[in-house]
Amino acid sequence: DAKTTQPPSMDCAEGRAANLPCNHSTISGNEYVYWYRQIHSQGPQYIIHGLKNNETNEMASLIITEDRKSSTLILPHATLRDTAVYYCIVRVAAGEKLTFGTGTRLTIIP
Amino acid sequence: GAGVSQSPSNKVTEKGKDVELRCDPISGHTALYWYRQSLGQGLEFLIYFQGNSAPDKSGLPSDRFSAERTGGSVSTLTIQRTQQEDSAVYLCASSWSSGRASGELFFGEGSRLTVL
Repeated sequence: DAKTTQPPSMDCAEGRAANLPCNHSTISGNEYVYWYRQIHSQGPQYIIHGLKNNETNEMASLIITEDRKSSTLILPHATLRDTAVYYCIVRVAAGEKLTFGTGTRLTIIP
Repeated sequence: GAGVSQSPSNKVTEKGKDVELRCDPISGHTALYWYRQSLGQGLEFLIYFQGNSAPDKSGLPSDRFSAERTGGSVSTLTIQRTQQEDSAVYLCASSWSSGRASGELFFGEGSRLTVL
């Protein structure tokens, strides 16, 4: 079973920041938080991951609460191409399988 | 190419036939994963390889499903006596093994299987 809870859907206006929440209240100390997205008819794409510190890359920022029980993925300037299903996943280490939940369907509105 | 390559991209078969799906991972990636995604559904884990061995095959739905990996590279997923409920997109992914890099999984574009 997936160890995360996400809202099933969200809308965001084009050009605005999209903030996608994820709850992972049972996360263990050695589990990372990963975010992937799946654009229609494509394979999932890695976005970002973190353990306890906030992370930023060219795609997004990941904010993890101090107790690590929740996190937020931020797409700073959403475009229409960011419309996708976003998956928040917790995982111990590289080499383990990713267990995908139902994700959040993000729709960017023109 | 530089990415994960899967073939065929589309396969239509008749119920009861056997099918083979192939995955060519990114060079140097020792971990390889198979998932499937039925229409409108989420991703379902099937099996994971580390090198040529499969430490986790817990997601294979029945004994009609098998997979192998040779030379630590190419993997083949075989479905015997296909059923209509096997219709799905079968996705392959590869990554570095544990302890290296980010553990990011790189996915292929998938093989769409339709069983008539």
